[in-house]
Amino acid sequence: QVTLKESGPGILQPSQTLSLTCSFSGFSLSTYGMCVGWIRQSSGKGLEWLANIWWNDDKYYNPSLKNRLTISKDTSNNQAFLKITNMDTADTATYYCARSPRGAGFDYWGQGVMVTVSS
Amino acid sequence: DIQMTQSPASLSASLGETVTIECRASEDIYNGLAWYQQKPGKSPQLLIYNANSLHTGVPSRFSGSGSGTQYSLKINSLQSEDVASYFCQQYYDYPYTFGAGTKLELK
Repeated sequence: QVTLKESGPGILQPSQTLSLTCSFSGFSLSTYGMCVGWIRQSSGKGLEWLANIWWNDDKYYNPSLKNRLTISKDTSNNQAFLKITNMDTADTATYYCARSPRGAGFDYWGQGVMVTVSS
Repeated sequence: DIQMTQSPASLSASLGETVTIECRASEDIYNGLAWYQQKPGKSPQLLIYNANSLHTGVPSRFSGSGSGTQYSLKINSLQSEDVASYFCQQYYDYPYTFGAGTKLELK
């Protein structure tokens, strides 16, 4: 059974760095062709892809967030991570991690973690 | 970036009706397209990948079609549990991009 679960601080102040953890089970990020991605959704808005990390440690980022994103993984502990620097109120959203085998869509998603940026 | 234009933004249909949602890509995405269903307060759920492949466990009343820049999601015999928002996503090229969504309601 594939499950993913995001964890994070919930609330942070502008200019701080957001650190998110995706803990998963039922698959391995060392499996050929496996990928985990991060996607966010502002309240009542659409979905925005942020970053992907692949089994071979290839990483891809959404250039709209410029150089603020860092994705990484801990294969031994079945976790993936996302850091976003210089957080702004516009980054307030629900953040999801999701699995993507062979890059053909995200087939399993976490429940999401709500992150609020406020002074 | 590849722009995904999804239509309609909202849709009202009756139980048992067939509904179609469209997505147009700004360039050829070679069937690199997924459709998701999202219910209020829940995570998106994959329905279709590779434009026309049904994800495991998804009812057969859902189907995807299209090629090039034009894609569609069809729901046959609409059920009450299909009330949700639907999103398309292209994964042919980075950055991945999503359509703005279609909110499906019962008439």
